[in-house]
Amino acid sequence: GAVVSQHPSWVICKSGTSVKIECRSLDFQATTMFWYRQFPKQSLMLMATSNEGSKATYEQGVEKDKFLINHASLTLSTLTVTSAHPEDSSFYICSARDHREGIYNEQFFGPGTRLTVL
Amino acid sequence: GNSVTQMEGPVTLSEEAFLTINCTYTATGYPSLFWYVQYPGEGLQLLLKATKADDKGSNKGFEATYRKETTSFHLEKGSVQVSDSAVYFCALDFNKFYFGSGTKLNVKP
Repeated sequence: GAVVSQHPSWVICKSGTSVKIECRSLDFQATTMFWYRQFPKQSLMLMATSNEGSKATYEQGVEKDKFLINHASLTLSTLTVTSAHPEDSSFYICSARDHREGIYNEQFFGPGTRLTVL
Repeated sequence: GNSVTQMEGPVTLSEEAFLTINCTYTATGYPSLFWYVQYPGEGLQLLLKATKADDKGSNKGFEATYRKETTSFHLEKGSVQVSDSAVYFCALDFNKFYFGSGTKLNVKP
């Protein structure tokens, strides 16, 4: 099946610094990638949808200047948490959708990145 | 709008017991339905899916049937194992994913 990777799997940073998380589709072209945030013992909250080569679409309440998303290629999307604060600590999960013709465009999820801001 | 409602947990069962986790949905169209499983500290793994009404998804002994008349997609397993302990998420896909709140399953030896 299709594989999505994330890097790093966990990161600890100081308050005020920026952190970049990568999401890669390893064996398929992902024209659309999604970024989710998951708080402890809660469900996934969609943050934004990114399409290759265009600006991301953010869900209501998500600060686009805080969470910068870039989807520069068909296999890579990045989420940058700028000026991170402790309340940004969370589990961030990406997913990718394969839009090749004839293939059901199911979403495949990455393993997640745990961010801890001190 | 689109939404998913699933039973609250945690659900605690003894090994070999029968499992049902209820999931109902509301949708403006005809979504695909999914069950995902999440083990501690990990991302989501697809457990099973159904893309149209009356489809039955199955995997690793788990089953769920897409019931349009009751807008439901209940997850069942005839005999759970300790290794099934995890959080289970019901989700629908209609241009984007909508997740239920998750149900934690604890299986005791």
